[in-house]
Amino acid sequence: GQNIDQPTEMTATEGAIVQINCTYQTSGFNGLFWYQQHAGEAPTFLSYNVLDGLEEKGRFSSFLSRSKGYSYLLLKELQMKDSASYLCASMDSNYQLIWGAGTKLIIKP
Amino acid sequence: IAGITQAPTSQILAAGRRMTLRCTQDMRHNAMYWYRQDLGLGLRLIHYSNTAGTTGKGEVPDGYSVSRANTDDFPLTLASAVPSQTSVYFCASSEGNTGELFFGEGSRLTVL
Repeated sequence: GQNIDQPTEMTATEGAIVQINCTYQTSGFNGLFWYQQHAGEAPTFLSYNVLDGLEEKGRFSSFLSRSKGYSYLLLKELQMKDSASYLCASMDSNYQLIWGAGTKLIIKP
Repeated sequence: IAGITQAPTSQILAAGRRMTLRCTQDMRHNAMYWYRQDLGLGLRLIHYSNTAGTTGKGEVPDGYSVSRANTDDFPLTLASAVPSQTSVYFCASSEGNTGELFFGEGSRLTVL
């Protein structure tokens, strides 16, 4: 079956670094995606990895290891506005996104 | 720039009633999607459309129908609502199969 696993909730301190892990198992693979969703709002696209390695975009970076079925999202210099849920999604062989349940990130001052 | 507009934003309706959630995009994207989001679960695809005039079933299509008469509009209909259809519904669009989806603000539906 298809499955995406990520932690339910994480807590971090303002100014620190946090890593949100995601493991995936899908029928075929056409990329790994991360989205941010603030409470009561729509998800917004953050990053996309299709090749192994690290993609950096400002304070956010995303890593992929296809052989391990593993990705992480790294958030640096955490700000209070980064408090949100972070959704991991894998695109399968039919080009459909399979979504994890999301990781709720709580930032404390 | 509106992006994707969903209506209504919130609705309470009695079980057995028919309900249509509206979705309109102004980005001229080919692909459109309807998802439902429930606490503790990932977004689940209900129906999708890769281009105007075509639709497909997602992971949880039962009890729902869609149409795609033109590029901009993608309404979702619940023919006879049941309490298990209480959820937040998101419409989304993308340019092809890029995986970069643009979401509407969601429609919170409660079926009593």
